[in-house]
Amino acid sequence: SAVISQKPSRDICQRGTSLTIQCQVDSQVTMMFWYRQQPGQSLTLIATANQGSEATYESGFVIDKFPISRPNLTFSTLTVSNMSPEDSSIYLCSGGGLAGSYNEQFFGPGTRLTVL
Amino acid sequence: AQKVTQAQTEISVVEKEDVTLDCVYETRDTTYYLFWYKQPPSGELVFLIRRNSFDEQNEISGRYSWNFQKSTSSFNFTITASQVVDSAVYFCALSPPGSARQLTFGSGTQLTVLP
Repeated sequence: SAVISQKPSRDICQRGTSLTIQCQVDSQVTMMFWYRQQPGQSLTLIATANQGSEATYESGFVIDKFPISRPNLTFSTLTVSNMSPEDSSIYLCSGGGLAGSYNEQFFGPGTRLTVL
Repeated sequence: AQKVTQAQTEISVVEKEDVTLDCVYETRDTTYYLFWYKQPPSGELVFLIRRNSFDEQNEISGRYSWNFQKSTSSFNFTITASQVVDSAVYFCALSPPGSARQLTFGSGTQLTVLP
């Protein structure tokens, strides 16, 4: 299995500011994803983080609002830009395609974001 | 398009009772993967099981068991002799074929096990 860590674990931010969330995997994974979980809701895929190229966004999510980087096979960042209270959610990073566990996805502990 | 339905929003049981969490899915793919995850109050997602669509054998792991019925597009999860520590939100998820593809999650079932 893979161990995924996220920083920060939680934050409280002011409207209009931006926050960058870091995701670190302890093993090389082929795929990395970012999900959002709004309060009391299920997980919704934001985008697939592609190494060395632009992320692939799901319907309803755009690069200007959620820029993503993935410089290598173990690290990715998600920025939540120009935040509003509606962005208050848990943001989760996941990784998959680990050698020996190709079809499993492992999740980080999440980043709890509150926007005032 | 893929869709996962967990019709049970909340379930409460008394400790030691058995409980079944329902999951129904829709997909046009002929092969796919099904998952169950547990999310305790701490918020972390805990992987429970992955099932390939071509393997319809039911699986048992300790007090957990899973019943995959391709004919009814269901992948139900049973906890036998429930314990208070089983209290959590349980998510069923579906992914298309291929290595580690994105997951489509159901809305989750909040299970509360009372002492």
